[in-house]
Amino acid sequence: GAGVSQSPSNKVTEKGKDVELRCDPISGHTALYWYRQSLGQGLEFLIYFQGNSAPDKSGLPSDRFSAERTGGSVSTLTIQRTQQEDSAVYLCASSLEVWTSADTQYFGPGTRLTVL
Amino acid sequence: QQQVKQSPQSLIVQKGGISIINCAYENTAFDYFPWYQQFPGKGPALLIAIRPDVSEKKEGRFTISFNKSAKQFSLHIMDSQPGDSATYFCAASIYSTGGFKTIFGAGTRLFVKA
Repeated sequence: GAGVSQSPSNKVTEKGKDVELRCDPISGHTALYWYRQSLGQGLEFLIYFQGNSAPDKSGLPSDRFSAERTGGSVSTLTIQRTQQEDSAVYLCASSLEVWTSADTQYFGPGTRLTVL
Repeated sequence: QQQVKQSPQSLIVQKGGISIINCAYENTAFDYFPWYQQFPGKGPALLIAIRPDVSEKKEGRFTISFNKSAKQFSLHIMDSQPGDSATYFCAASIYSTGGFKTIFGAGTRLFVKA
């Protein structure tokens, strides 16, 4: 079946603008994760959803970041008033569930965000 | 802040050689240690993973060695091939009453020379 998809694949925006990044998980996957990968760096875990619920938002870098998930499927990561340090690749992953740390996560190709 | 320290940052290996990447973690509560492989322009893909109650896990040419007392684990790629050239990430994860948490290493860029 189809894998995790993300849109847009690339986004260039001006400092101060708001951006929305979209993730479509694998059908039937109840858990969804967002990560940020800065140039040449490892992955920074931002937030996860079990169904439509995000139990822990402490990984979001600042209050300019928010995420939501509706219908247990599509998720949107919103960055308000973007800053240049927000430039990175934002990766989304999904898994069947998150009741164990060992559930395999399947990653999308990411959205490359560039803030000018 | 909890960290997972990964080394080396980059690695060049001859075709047929053994590639070894090391990781060290701090929090003994972690209970799942995956390795991911990432090609340019793609998202990471799970390669192999291990639980802390096992000292070694082998899948084909890939082996994880786990040292619980030292809080270290490593990935060995036997008979390395040019197609193995990619960036490799280790990670440490836990799901507890506090929810799900995972920390990734900074990555190792592997280049296998033909």
